[in-house]
Amino acid sequence: AQSVTQPDIHITVSEGASLELRCNYSYGATPYLFWYVQSPGQGLQLLLKYFSGDTLVQGIKGFEAEFKRSQSSFNLRKPSVHWSDAAEYFCAVGLRWGSNYKLTFGKGTLLTVNP
Amino acid sequence: NAGVTQTPKFRVLKTGQSMTLLCAQDMNHEYMYWYRQDPGMGLRLIHYSVGEGTTAKGEVPDGYNVSRLKKQNFLLGLESAAPSQTSVYFCASGTQHSNQPQHFGDGTRLSIL
Repeated sequence: AQSVTQPDIHITVSEGASLELRCNYSYGATPYLFWYVQSPGQGLQLLLKYFSGDTLVQGIKGFEAEFKRSQSSFNLRKPSVHWSDAAEYFCAVGLRWGSNYKLTFGKGTLLTVNP
Repeated sequence: NAGVTQTPKFRVLKTGQSMTLLCAQDMNHEYMYWYRQDPGMGLRLIHYSVGEGTTAKGEVPDGYNVSRLKKQNFLLGLESAAPSQTSVYFCASGTQHSNQPQHFGDGTRLSIL
C-alpha cells in the first residue's frame, strides 16, 4: 500500500531563511506527487504537483519541489521564507483508483516563522 | 468569490443525532470529495463523486452517507453521530482532468458529545 511520510512534525525558521520540508513516499511505481498548504481555519490550497518530466517543479508563492526517485522523496523548498508562509504543509501521493485518483496525505508539517 | 462553500462552519451534536453537511461549488466541477481531518492524521477520504447522481466510498466511509443530486452540491450525512466522528470536515472539488482535488472549502468543525 502506498504511504507518505513527513518526518518533521514542526519546523521553525527565521524570516528570510531558506526552507526545506521533507516528504518520503512508499509506492511501487512512479507516483503522482503533490504539496498542499493549509492556513489556520482554512481548507487546503494546492502549491504544486509532479506527474512526469522535469523533476524540479515550480509552484505558487515561490515554492519548488524536487522529485528524487532514488530517494523516494519529494521535498519542498523555498529560498527565502516570508512570515505569511507560516502554515501547515501536506505532502500527498496520488494513486489511480478507478477513473479517479486517490490521494494519500502525509500527517503534515507545521511551519512557524520567527520575525 | 467563486469556490467551494461549506455549511455550517461549526456544529455541536449529541451522540445519536443526525445531521447533513452541505457542500456547494460554482465552478462546474465534475468531481467532488469529502475528507475528514484529525490531529496528526492528515486528510482521509470519506466519499467522493465523479458526477451528478454517482457516489463512491473512500478510505473511511463507515457511518457516513452522501448524495449528489445536483452537480453543484455534495451532501454528507451522519445518520447517528458518534464521538469518533468529531473532526473537521473538508469538501473539495476538481475536474476530471485534474487528477486531484483542486479547490477546498474552509471546513466544518463538528463536535459530537
